[in-house]
Amino acid sequence: DAGVIQSPRHEVTEMGQEVTLRCKPISGHNSLFWYRQTMMRGLELLIYFNNNVPIDDSGMPEDRFSAKMPNASFSTLKIQPSEPRDSAVYFCASSPRQENEKLFFGSGTQLSVL
Amino acid sequence: GESVGLHLPTLSVQEGDNSIINCAYSNSASDYFIWYKQESGKGPQFIIDIRSNMDKRQGQRVTVLLNKTVKHLSLQIAATQPGDSAVYFCAENITHAGNNRKLIWGLGTSLAVNP
Repeated sequence: DAGVIQSPRHEVTEMGQEVTLRCKPISGHNSLFWYRQTMMRGLELLIYFNNNVPIDDSGMPEDRFSAKMPNASFSTLKIQPSEPRDSAVYFCASSPRQENEKLFFGSGTQLSVL
Repeated sequence: GESVGLHLPTLSVQEGDNSIINCAYSNSASDYFIWYKQESGKGPQFIIDIRSNMDKRQGQRVTVLLNKTVKHLSLQIAATQPGDSAVYFCAENITHAGNNRKLIWGLGTSLAVNP
């Protein structure tokens, strides 16, 4: 099992640019989560999907953030336009139907917005 | 309000000793608790979980204790090894309006194992 796969591993961009983060959940998992981690705020849930449908996006900071899950094996988190305060590690996680509270995390994308 | 906090932000132990990491939670309606381990440069990794109808659960070298009376959760690691060095997070799962279940995360405790 390859686990949750995220890309890119690192992203450095300039303020105002569009950033797209990608995630491939574990095959067979029906829930997918996007988290942001910073030293100041810890782990924050941005949005999660059940069966490709967004269930709770209350953690999305503002309209500059959007997430999609076009199919069960792929999700994107987009920031447009990006700002320096968006710099963080963004994690994707998935969970199986039987134990949807047990999350399996990817290795994260380290985003730096200059 | 809903919050999960940690008593000790950092913990340093000698290799071979037992480690105890503590966590306080505030929502008495929380019914499920999880401990995660995060190594440097990696995502959090599930360690052990416990439901609110239990007081104790044991895994391999790890034990989680739940005291609902004082809303306290602890993770005990036996015979701590250098590979146990990481940040440990506790999280509580609560049900929000609309049957929406959500994990609330603590800020983490950094465990350093000295050889």
